[in-house]
Formats: sequence, structure tokens, C-alpha cells
Amino acid sequence: KNQVEQSPQSLIILEGKNCTLQCNYTVSPFSNLRWYKQDTGRGPVSLTIMTFSENTKSNGRYTATLDADTKQSSLHITASQLSDSASYICVVSEKTSYDKVIFGPGTSLSVIP
Amino acid sequence: NAGVTQTPKFRILKIGQSMTLQCAQDMNHNYMYWYRQDPGMGLKLIYYSVGAGITDKGEVPNGYNVSRSTTEDFPLRLELAAPSQTSVYFCASSYSGQGGTQYFGPGTRLLVL
Repeated sequence: KNQVEQSPQSLIILEGKNCTLQCNYTVSPFSNLRWYKQDTGRGPVSLTIMTFSENTKSNGRYTATLDADTKQSSLHITASQLSDSASYICVVSEKTSYDKVIFGPGTSLSVIP
Repeated sequence: NAGVTQTPKFRILKIGQSMTLQCAQDMNHNYMYWYRQDPGMGLKLIYYSVGAGITDKGEVPNGYNVSRSTTEDFPLRLELAAPSQTSVYFCASSYSGQGGTQYFGPGTRLLVL
């Protein structure tokens, strides 16, 4: 069964610190992996996308990595800001006729001053 | 450019009542989706559409219906509301399938009592 798991479930860090969120998946055949940011009360917004051949992708202070062999991805946030407080969702696409996606449960990040 | 809009933002229904959740997008996307998001769970696909007049079931379609008469609009109909349908509902659209960048609406919070 295709699944996406994320850890930790929740995380609290001090403003200015770095953190890393993890994503493990069993989706096959693999098409791509995205990280979305979901602010409280809002819809998710895409941060990064990686295909099989890419192992690193950056978007400002966000850096995503992908190890397609071990089926793991991470999202590293550098110099966290209060506005980084959100849920971060790992989304993996299965290569089908319409690229079916499986959403992870998300990691809830709280950045405190 | 409003993106994806959803109405209402919040609604309380009694068991057995029916309602329609509205979704509209102004990006001329062919692909549109309805998801539900329950606490601690990943988004689950209810229905999707690959263009006007074409819809198909997702993972959790029971108790819902959709229609797509125009490219812009994709309403979700709840018939005979049940407490299990208490959730947050997100509409999304994309240019190139579910694995492409999805643009989400702000969500509709539904409480069935």
C-alpha cells in the first residue's frame, strides 16, 4: 500500500534556529515529491518539487533533499522566523494516468520568540 | 487574480440536511479537486475533474457528488449529512494533473451535528 509518513508529528523551536523535517514514503512507481506549507486556517502552498533525478532543491531558507533509493526526503529550514509556524506536508506522486498523489499527515512547526 | 475561492468559510449542518460547497478558479485550469482534511490525517481526495463535463471518484467519494459544467466552477454536493462528514474541505486546481502544482482554496469548515 502506498503511504507517506512524516516525523516528527510536531516541533517547537526558537526563532533563529534551524530544523529538519522528515518524510518517508513507499509510493511506487514514483513520479515526484513536493513539500507544501499550510498556514493555520489556509490551504496548502507548494514550496518545492523534486523528481527522481534531483536530490536537492532550495526555495529561500527552505532546502529539500530526496534520496530515491531509500525513499526518504527532508525539509531543512534555516534561521527560522515566526512566520515559519505552520504545518509542512510531504506529498508524493505516483506515476499513473493522472499522477495520483498521496499526502502525508504533516508536521506542525511552532517557532517561538 | 483571485486564484481559487471557496464559499462558505464555515457551516453547521444538522444530520440529514444537504448543502453545496462552492469552488471557483480563475486560472483556466482544467484539473480541479475536492479534498477533505481530518485532524492528524493527510488530505483525502473526494472527487476530481479533468475538464468541463468530466468528473471521477477519488478515495472517499461516498456521501458526496460533484458536477463540472464550466472550467471555472466545481461545486461539491453533500446529501444527507452525517457526523462523519465533519471536516475541513479544500478545493484545488492545477494546470497539469494532480502531480503538478496544485493551488488550494482557503477551505470550508463543516460541522455536522
